[in-house]
Amino acid sequence: NAGVTQTPKFRVLKTGQSMTLLCAQDMNHEYMYWYRQDPGMGLRLIHYSVGEGTTAKGEVPDGYNVSRLKKQNFLLGLESAAPSQTSVYFCASSYKLAGAKDHDTQYFGPGTRLTVL
Amino acid sequence: GQNIDQPTEMTATEGAIVQINCTYQTSGFNGLFWYQQHAGEAPTFLSYNVLDGLEEKGRFSSFLSRSKGYSYLLLKELQMKDSASYLCAVRDVNSNYQLIWGAGTKLIIKP
Repeated sequence: NAGVTQTPKFRVLKTGQSMTLLCAQDMNHEYMYWYRQDPGMGLRLIHYSVGEGTTAKGEVPDGYNVSRLKKQNFLLGLESAAPSQTSVYFCASSYKLAGAKDHDTQYFGPGTRLTVL
Repeated sequence: GQNIDQPTEMTATEGAIVQINCTYQTSGFNGLFWYQQHAGEAPTFLSYNVLDGLEEKGRFSSFLSRSKGYSYLLLKELQMKDSASYLCAVRDVNSNYQLIWGAGTKLIIKP
């Protein structure tokens, strides 16, 4: 199993350009997440999905859109990139959200390092 | 509001023991996670606590006190490969069970 994969690994954009980050998982997980990680800050949730065809906003959704057309894929789009979106983007997936006596482990992809000039 | 605090950086010696603390404030606590992240890599799961007490897993242990909003990760018999950032995350019922992450503690191991 490849686990969680992300493409591309690196990308440089100019302000105003658009791009799509692809996340794929082969663990049959229901839940998928997009985070960004910036120096000195914790991971921040951008959008997440609890199943095929569903998406929800996280903590910092502005400037991003997502789609989950297939269970195994979760796409993150930047319609008009801004320098503030320079970051490392991580995709993660988990089997399910559990109750208080159980837990779900989030499995992370290797990350996409995006620079917006 | 929600807040998670961890020390920014710690240094320890190979073979020693180190304790990394995490304090949190959240209205709907539903579990606490510790992840390890090596530089330039993805976070990987280390441990989970939802009830008070100590969870031991090999060289790593994690402790939780819900009444104090406090957790620690204890690493024993430190090895050079333990040099990494350690991320504390709290699951919050009031945030649709999503994880709220601390900024991480960078642990530097010296020979």
